[in-house]
Amino acid sequence: QQPVQSPQAVILREGEDAVINCSSSKALYSVHWYRQKHGEAPVFLMILLKGGEQKGHDKISASFNEKKQQSSLYLTASQLSYSGTYFCGTEVLLAGGTSYGKLTFGQGTILTVHP
Amino acid sequence: KAGVTQTPRYLIKTRGQQVTLSCSPISGHRSVSWYQQTPGQGLQFLFEYFSETQRNKGNFPGRFSGRQFSNSRSEMNVSTLELGDSALYLCASRALELHTEAFFGQGTRLTVV
Repeated sequence: QQPVQSPQAVILREGEDAVINCSSSKALYSVHWYRQKHGEAPVFLMILLKGGEQKGHDKISASFNEKKQQSSLYLTASQLSYSGTYFCGTEVLLAGGTSYGKLTFGQGTILTVHP
Repeated sequence: KAGVTQTPRYLIKTRGQQVTLSCSPISGHRSVSWYQQTPGQGLQFLFEYFSETQRNKGNFPGRFSGRQFSNSRSEMNVSTLELGDSALYLCASRALELHTEAFFGQGTRLTVV
């Protein structure tokens, strides 16, 4: 089951903030976030494990609400280099408390930052 | 440390033919996953191999198959190609099976005419 991302597209001006959401109908073990620029491979941003942790580096951070099976990616003071397609990937939680390692991605959110 | 290498980068095939794509993971990585990327569909999971065994499979027809060798290199085969198989095929390698990041290759762009 693919996670669902929203919105499908975001257009920003430099310096503005954005939030990208990712939700799953299944209990999750982890949520991954990746960014893909046009013509390039997706690049890893961060992983969040069950436990409701929040991570971040520089001006990009993310949260994981395991009760709602939702994650949000926060981009603050956006830069031109933030443009690209953002994907969340999820690993489903098994009864034993682990995951079977299948990383499933959402449809992606296209982020465009203008000067 | 070399990244994930996929060959070939581009491929043009005719309907009905078959094709084999190759993926060499990062040295030491034992998990290799394959994804199909098309506009508007995101990254569709095909299958995952770990230590030469297919551990996970997506919802693709049996025309899509794969295998993994003892050196962790993986191949994906698509038989009886259809126009709808035109896509970017990405492979991703991971060091361990759980909660580690996936490293993607540049992909193979397959065009079926």
